[in-house]
Amino acid sequence: QVHLVQSEAEVKKPGASVRVSCKASGYTFSSYAVHWVRQAPGQSLEWMGWINPGNGNTRLSQKFQGRVTITRDTSATTVYVELSRLSFEDTGLYYCARDTFSPGGPYNWFDPWGQGTLVTVSS
Amino acid sequence: DIQMTQSPSSLSASIGDRVTITCRSSQTIYSYLNWYQQKPGKTPKVLIYAASTLQSGVPSRFSGSGSGTNFTLTISSLQPEDFATYYCQQSYSTRTFGQGTKVEI
Repeated sequence: QVHLVQSEAEVKKPGASVRVSCKASGYTFSSYAVHWVRQAPGQSLEWMGWINPGNGNTRLSQKFQGRVTITRDTSATTVYVELSRLSFEDTGLYYCARDTFSPGGPYNWFDPWGQGTLVTVSS
Repeated sequence: DIQMTQSPSSLSASIGDRVTITCRSSQTIYSYLNWYQQKPGKTPKVLIYAASTLQSGVPSRFSGSGSGTNFTLTISSLQPEDFATYYCQQSYSTRTFGQGTKVEI
């Protein structure tokens, strides 16, 4: 079975950085892009960026460029997202999600999702 | 980044009602449009992909239509388990979600 398991909740002070991990299992790690999605309390889903675990290439939402880094460790089949210069507005649930493709076609969606990691920014 | 505008942001409905949610993209995304359902405390679950293809296991009361920039999710007869928040997502260029539609009693 395909699974994504994320790291535990974090509490950080404003201005600090946080790194969240997402361990993949049950499939060929290098074959599927992994995305990061944020959901602030009571708010919508916000796409942050993705990584191609095969070659390490990343693409970020314009909103997060310069503040977010996505990396991977192929030997550990784990993807990481690091967010720097945290502010109170960065409080929320951070999800990783894997691309899944339509049979033989170009369409894709997110499945599965990690369980989410709560990041709380508090002074 | 492509912007996705979803409406309404919330709606009140009764069991058996027909519910329609719309999603508009800021540029053409052809049929690269997914619909997700999210219940409180749960991760999103895909209902529709490629604008109109029902994901395996999803009840047939859910349907999607549209292409280009205008899309619709329809629930033909609302059931108790359908009270949730629904999101559209474009997968044509990077990814973007709509703001969500909360379906309430």
